[in-house]
Amino acid sequence: DTGVSQDPRHKITKRGQNVTFRCDPISEHNRLYWYRQTLGQGPEFLTYFQNEAQLEKSRLLSDRFSAERPKGSFSTLEIQRTEQGDSAMYLCASSGQTSGLYNEQFFGPGTRLTVL
Amino acid sequence: AQSVTQLDSQVPVFEEAPVELRCNYSSSVSVYLFWYVQYPNQGLQLLLKYLSGSTLVESINGFEAEFNKSQTSFHLRKPSVHISDTAEYFCAVSVPLRSNYKLTFGKGTLLTVNP
Repeated sequence: DTGVSQDPRHKITKRGQNVTFRCDPISEHNRLYWYRQTLGQGPEFLTYFQNEAQLEKSRLLSDRFSAERPKGSFSTLEIQRTEQGDSAMYLCASSGQTSGLYNEQFFGPGTRLTVL
Repeated sequence: AQSVTQLDSQVPVFEEAPVELRCNYSSSVSVYLFWYVQYPNQGLQLLLKYLSGSTLVESINGFEAEFNKSQTSFHLRKPSVHISDTAEYFCAVSVPLRSNYKLTFGKGTLLTVNP
């Protein structure tokens, strides 16, 4: 079990460019989450997948943001026409589905985006 | 909607001193409560959680937190800290029985343990 991985770890881009991040969850996990963490703030929920279905999107996720999870495995988060306000750490988490009270979310190391 | 307030953004302490990191939450429904820790250049790790039952929960590395429903608090404590406890600590809530189990985090408290 290698945990949740994210690629790239760092991305620097110019305003107006498109960027795409990838998240590979723990292999048997069917739930996948994206969060965004800006400087001095805690992580904020962006979106949630159960298998390949995107079941919830935060109002933080503007039309420039799109997330996919084809085949219910890895996920991508794309930001089009990046703005300086998009600069943040983008965190991915995954969890399994059991009969217990709660399924722990395991977080990846994050992708730090800097928009110049 | 739920919200989490961590009253201290930074807490500096000396090694072997006790520490308390404060967390208060607001919710109109019952919640699950969590403390996550983030070491430098690493992802968030679950430190401990309260789901139900005993209001005092403990972690394997000596931290404990107590759920206080009347004060809507979930403060994190450790009687004697080590240099290696230096990290950012996040309090979070989740609403049970909501299928997504998304987490709502506080702003975090940076714990710095000095020799």
